[in-house]
Amino acid sequence: AQRVTQPEKLLSVFKGAPVELKCNYSYSGSPELFWYVQYSRQRLQLLLRHISRESIKGFTADLNKGETSFHLKKPFAQEEDSAMYYCALVGGSQGNLIFGKGTKLSVKP
Amino acid sequence: NAGVTQTPKFQVLKTGQSMTLQCAQDMNHEYMSWYRQDPGMGLRLIHYSVGAGITDQGEVPNGYNVSRSTTEDFPLRLLSAAPSQTSVYFCASSGRLATDTQYFGPGTRLTVL
Repeated sequence: AQRVTQPEKLLSVFKGAPVELKCNYSYSGSPELFWYVQYSRQRLQLLLRHISRESIKGFTADLNKGETSFHLKKPFAQEEDSAMYYCALVGGSQGNLIFGKGTKLSVKP
Repeated sequence: NAGVTQTPKFQVLKTGQSMTLQCAQDMNHEYMSWYRQDPGMGLRLIHYSVGAGITDQGEVPNGYNVSRSTTEDFPLRLLSAAPSQTSVYFCASSGRLATDTQYFGPGTRLTVL
């Protein structure tokens, strides 16, 4: 079965420290993976997708098929990065988004 | 463009009551979906639609109905509310597919007593 696992409910780092939000997936075939973010009092929005291989707000994510991972990384965390982050996979018989349970990132000053 | 709008923002129901959560988008998107967000559970797909007149069930459809009579609107109906349906409900839309960028509404916080 297709599944997305985010092992950390909460990740707390200090400003300027590197941050890595973990995401592992279970999927047979070539997955399409995404990171969505929800800032406080804002709507859930797309942060990045693996297929575009771009950096958004300093965040990058590399698909590692061998480890079935799609971890989100940023070398120097900022306070404005504090938010809820969801990893998502397009899967299932109908090709819908399957979300992980989310990781709350808290960046302390 | 208003994007994706949802009404109401908050709602309190008693067990057994029915209600409709409204969702509308003005981006001419074909794909629309409803999710519920529960603490520790992430977002789970309730129902989705790939175009007017076409709907299908997601992961947790029981207790909910949807219809898609127009491209713009995708209401979610709770038939007989239960405390287990206390949640935050999000509507989302995208151009054609789930792989297209999903645009989310602001959410409806529902409490069932």
